Amino acid sequence: ILNVEQSPQSLHVQEGDSTNFTCSFPSSNFYALHWYRWETAKSPEALFVMTLNGDEKKKGRISATLNTKEGYSYLYIKGSQPEDSATYLCAFKQSSNTGKLIFGQGTTLQVKP
Amino acid sequence: NAGVTQTPKFRVLKTGQSMTLLCAQDMNHEYMYWYRQDPGMGLRLIHYSVGEGTTAKGEVPDGYNVSRLKKQNFLLGLESAAPSQTSVYFCASSNDGNQPQHFGDGTRLSIL
Repeated sequence: ILNVEQSPQSLHVQEGDSTNFTCSFPSSNFYALHWYRWETAKSPEALFVMTLNGDEKKKGRISATLNTKEGYSYLYIKGSQPEDSATYLCAFKQSSNTGKLIFGQGTTLQVKP
Repeated sequence: NAGVTQTPKFRVLKTGQSMTLLCAQDMNHEYMYWYRQDPGMGLRLIHYSVGEGTTAKGEVPDGYNVSRLKKQNFLLGLESAAPSQTSVYFCASSNDGNQPQHFGDGTRLSIL
C-alpha cells in the first residue's frame, strides 16, 4: 500500500511569516508529484506538477522543491497572507498512464492577520 | 466556462436506497475520476476512466459502480447505500494522465 504523508497536519502563523511544509512519498517508481491548494467551501486547485529530481517551481509567493531520490517535497510560502489560509494537498503519481494519484491528508494553514 | 460540475450538491439517503451522482465536464478531458473525502483522510480514489466507454477501479471501489457513456459525463452509482458511504464526493478530470486534475465543488452525501 502506497503511503503519502504530509506534515505538519496543521499550522498557525502570523501574517508576514514565511512557512514551509513537507510531503513524503515512496521513492520507487516515481513519476510525478502534484501540489493542490484547497480553500474552505471550494474545490482543490492545482498549484504545481513536478516530475524531475531537483525540480523547483514557483507561483507568486509559493514555491516547491522536489527530491525524488529520498522521497520528499517541500512547499514554501513567503510572507504569508490571510488569503493563503487553506489546506495544501500533495499527491504522488507512480509510473503509469492512468492518472491515478495517491493523496496525502493535507496540511491546513491558518494565517492570522 | 463551467469546468467540472457535480449534481446534486447535497443529498440525504436512507440505508438501502440507491442514487446516482453526476459529474459533467466541458473541457473535453479524456480522464475522469471519482474520489471520496472523509475526516482525517486524504482524497481516496473510488473509480476512474481514461476515456469514453472505459472505467477502472481505484483504491476504494466496493459498493460503487460507474459509467462513462459520454466523454463529458462520469456517473457514480450507489446501488444500496450504507452509512459507511456517508462522505463528501469529488469528481475531477484531466486532459491526460500527466496533467493536473480539475475538481468539481463536491457532493455532500449523508446516509442514515
